[in-house]
Amino acid sequence: DQQVKQNSPSLSVQEGRISILNCDYTNSMFDYFLWYKKYPAEGPTFLISISSIKDKNEDGRFTVFLNKSAKHLSLHIVPSQPGDSAVYFCAASPYSGAGSYQLTFGKGTKLSVIP
Amino acid sequence: SAVISQKPSRDICQRGTSLTIQCQVDSQVTMMFWYRQQPGQSLTLIATANQGSEATYESGFVIDKFPISRPNLTFSTLTVSNMSPEDSSIYLCSVVGTLKGNEQFFGPGTRLTVL
Repeated sequence: DQQVKQNSPSLSVQEGRISILNCDYTNSMFDYFLWYKKYPAEGPTFLISISSIKDKNEDGRFTVFLNKSAKHLSLHIVPSQPGDSAVYFCAASPYSGAGSYQLTFGKGTKLSVIP
Repeated sequence: SAVISQKPSRDICQRGTSLTIQCQVDSQVTMMFWYRQQPGQSLTLIATANQGSEATYESGFVIDKFPISRPNLTFSTLTVSNMSPEDSSIYLCSVVGTLKGNEQFFGPGTRLTVL
């Protein structure tokens, strides 16, 4: 039973355009959501997070949107760059504020940004 | 982010043997975790490594199979015991509670292949 779902295993986007990565969750206890980026042969790198009390968090080219009623979040990357090509993992935690732990991950979406 | 190193980075092992993976952080951290990523799957939390006491295991993982040590605030080990080909995975340690913030940071991972 997958509690965090990333239904698109891969996504290709032209350089300069917007990349939208989607994530759905089923557990209503999740309170904190994170996106990680992973390059081959490296561990996941924290990208951006959002608490359930917000519906949007922005950091430079990266924006995460949260729709609690739909149990859906998305990561927008604008403009997309070739260096953004990586696997993106959505993760959720029932804890926030004191630190994220007990993370439940999706299977990841492989983003390819085409020059 | 915190600098996290893992040893070995990869290994090929025979069925029935055991492998100990080390995780070293460059600063004291509050919490350390061990994850597994099986081929084509999401990252799955194995256990929380508790300093000076027994690790806290997630459902489906037991101490006899995955003994964990955490002798201090910067170091932990995970042993994969009596290995079978199903244990072939990437094993990652992660930390929370560094000077950089409360997000969870991951090590580079250990790629284990069991023949």
